[in-house]
Amino acid sequence: EIVMTQSPATLSVSPGERATLSCRASQSVSSNLAWYQQKPGQAPRLLIYGASTRATGIPARFSGSGSGTEFTLTISSLQSEDFAVYYCQQYNNWPPENTFGQGTKLEIK
Amino acid sequence: QVQLQESGPGLVKPSQTLSLTCTVSGGSISSGGYYWSWIRQHPGKGLEWIGYIYYSGSTYYNPSLKSRVTISVDTSKNQFSLKLSSVTAADTAVYYCASGSINWFDPWGQGTLVTVSS
Repeated sequence: EIVMTQSPATLSVSPGERATLSCRASQSVSSNLAWYQQKPGQAPRLLIYGASTRATGIPARFSGSGSGTEFTLTISSLQSEDFAVYYCQQYNNWPPENTFGQGTKLEIK
Repeated sequence: QVQLQESGPGLVKPSQTLSLTCTVSGGSISSGGYYWSWIRQHPGKGLEWIGYIYYSGSTYYNPSLKSRVTISVDTSKNQFSLKLSSVTAADTAVYYCASGSINWFDPWGQGTLVTVSS
């Protein structure tokens, strides 16, 4: 099983600043990586797939990068609505495993 | 856009079978092109993919749950369902249904909490 490790567990950033979240895979997943945002009491929402492609309706301040085992989600200028938990998910294997990272909580500094 | 809504008992006894249904609106399961998934989230924890089904009935399950999971589809009702057998307290979680590609999940239902307890 491919294990996804996110860091840091909690990230404190001020509104308007840039946030950088990391996700590492235990083996290469090529660009087969997605990012989700989850707010308290809500279901996750797809932000990024293919490591760098924004999902429909996702603001341009969200960007994804990386390939292989190292991935980054960057939020260029934090808005109040961006404080949430972020999960990465790999979908490299066949038959599918679809494993998620443990999440990074982005909190207001 | 497609909307999904989970339904089913919120309390299940240990050793019994957990059964949930996801009703899809705003689109047809049988139109093809999408996979219909179940994902769970243990309280305060991360996400665990359970499995998914295509409208044709093809299924793929998480290897760690495969022996206990059955996902089925009823295209006439535009619903798909989850059965998880021999549940224990470790199966207590919020269960989400979701649509999407074979690779990612979008959109998701609001989720339903299932507690396993006697």
